[in-house]
Amino acid sequence: GNSVTQMEGPVTLSEEAFLTINCTYTATGYPSLFWYVQYPGEGLQLLLKATKADDKGSNKGFEATYRKETTSFHLEKGSVQVSDSAVYFCALDTSGGSNYKLTFGKGTLLTVNP
Amino acid sequence: DAGITQSPRHKVTETGTPVTLRCHQTENHRYMYWYRQDPGHGLRLIHYSYGVKDTDKGEVSDGYSVSRSKTEDFLLTLESATSSQTSVYFCATERKGGGSYNEQFFGPGTRLTVL
Repeated sequence: GNSVTQMEGPVTLSEEAFLTINCTYTATGYPSLFWYVQYPGEGLQLLLKATKADDKGSNKGFEATYRKETTSFHLEKGSVQVSDSAVYFCALDTSGGSNYKLTFGKGTLLTVNP
Repeated sequence: DAGITQSPRHKVTETGTPVTLRCHQTENHRYMYWYRQDPGHGLRLIHYSYGVKDTDKGEVSDGYSVSRSKTEDFLLTLESATSSQTSVYFCATERKGGGSYNEQFFGPGTRLTVL
């Protein structure tokens, strides 16, 4: 079946540090890959996406590259801010036909200290 | 932002009582989903709908039922609430469009406590 494995948290960084959150997946076919972010007290919102191998998704200074050979989609940011503190979810969509479903990882809590 | 509201936002109930959570959207999206979020489990799909009166089960559907009588409303019912259903419940919608990518939009969540 489809599954997503992302690094266990929590991750605590100082402001301006480099961030990597690892995500690997198992899927049949050619999934689309996503990072969603959940700020405290809110629902999830899409951060970035990649729909085919070697695509790079980017948004708000975050980047992730779809690596088919290593089945990975690691999230990176060169300089984190306090406002990036949130839970980050890696997800894949292997939908076909009329059924669209996302499979989520367990989430990684990021705390950025000033 | 997609206009998704959930009600109630917080609820405390007792074991054995029925509970209905409501999701309302103003975007005319075809697909709607109910997830539960629990520590150590991420988000897990309970049920989803691909149109009015068209619903299907997700990975953790036992103990839950859903109904969708209008495009804009998707109801989640716990027929007889149990303590294991204490969780945060999120509704999401998805516009079915062309191509292989469809973004899901999430509501603000409902925190349910079953005593």
